[in-house]
Amino acid sequence: DVKVTQSSRYLVKRTGEKVFLECVQDMDHENMFWYRQDPGLGLRLIYFSYDVKMKEKGDIPEGYSVSREKKERFSLILESASTNQTSMYLCASSLGRRSTEAFFGQGTRLTVV
Amino acid sequence: AQKITQTQPGMFVQEKEAVTLDCTYDTSDPSYGLFWYKQPSSGEMIFLIYQGSYDQQNATEGRYSLNFQKARKSANLVISASQLGDSAMYFCAMSYTGNQFYFGTGTSLTVIP
Repeated sequence: DVKVTQSSRYLVKRTGEKVFLECVQDMDHENMFWYRQDPGLGLRLIYFSYDVKMKEKGDIPEGYSVSREKKERFSLILESASTNQTSMYLCASSLGRRSTEAFFGQGTRLTVV
Repeated sequence: AQKITQTQPGMFVQEKEAVTLDCTYDTSDPSYGLFWYKQPSSGEMIFLIYQGSYDQQNATEGRYSLNFQKARKSANLVISASQLGDSAMYFCAMSYTGNQFYFGTGTSLTVIP
C-alpha cells in the first residue's frame, strides 16, 4: 500500500520558534508538495519539489522554506513561527504524469501560540 | 487567477439519495486532468475519481461518477445512493502534467439519516 507519512498529527509551538514538518513517501515519486489548508480557502500550495535538491515556490511561500536532500523526504521549515501560520499542513507526492493522482499524508495540525 | 471554482460551500442530502457537487475550471490548455478528493473529519485526503481532458466517456468509480462537460468547463461529481459515511469535505482539483495540482475551496457534504 502506498504511503505518505507526516511526522506529527498535532503540533503546538511558540511564536518565534523554528518549526520542522517532515514528510516521507515510499513510492519513489519524483514530485512532492506542501499545502496549507484553511477553512474557506481550500488547499494552497506553499512549495513543491520535482527532484532532489530542487524546489519551486507555490502560491504562498512567504515565511516558509523547504528541504529535499533525499528523494523520499521533503521537509517544510517555518523559520520563525507566527500565529498566522496556525493551520493544517498537508504533504503530498505524485509520479509526475497528467493522469496520476497526488497521494496525501494524514496532515499536521499546527498551532502557534 | 482561480483555476478551480466550487460554488457550494455546504450541501445536504438525504441518505440513499443522489447528490451532485459542482466544479468548474479555467484553462486554455487542451491537455489536463481533473480529480476529486474526499476529506473526512479525520483529515486525510482520499482520491475518488479521475477524468482526462481527452477522455470521451465520463469516469465512474463505484457510486462516484464524474459529469464532464468540456465545452462548459465543468466536472461535477455525482454520488449515487448517499451513505452516512459520505459526509465529508470534497475537493475538485486540476493538473496539467502531474507536477502541480490546483484545488478548489471545497464543498462540505452532510448526509442526513
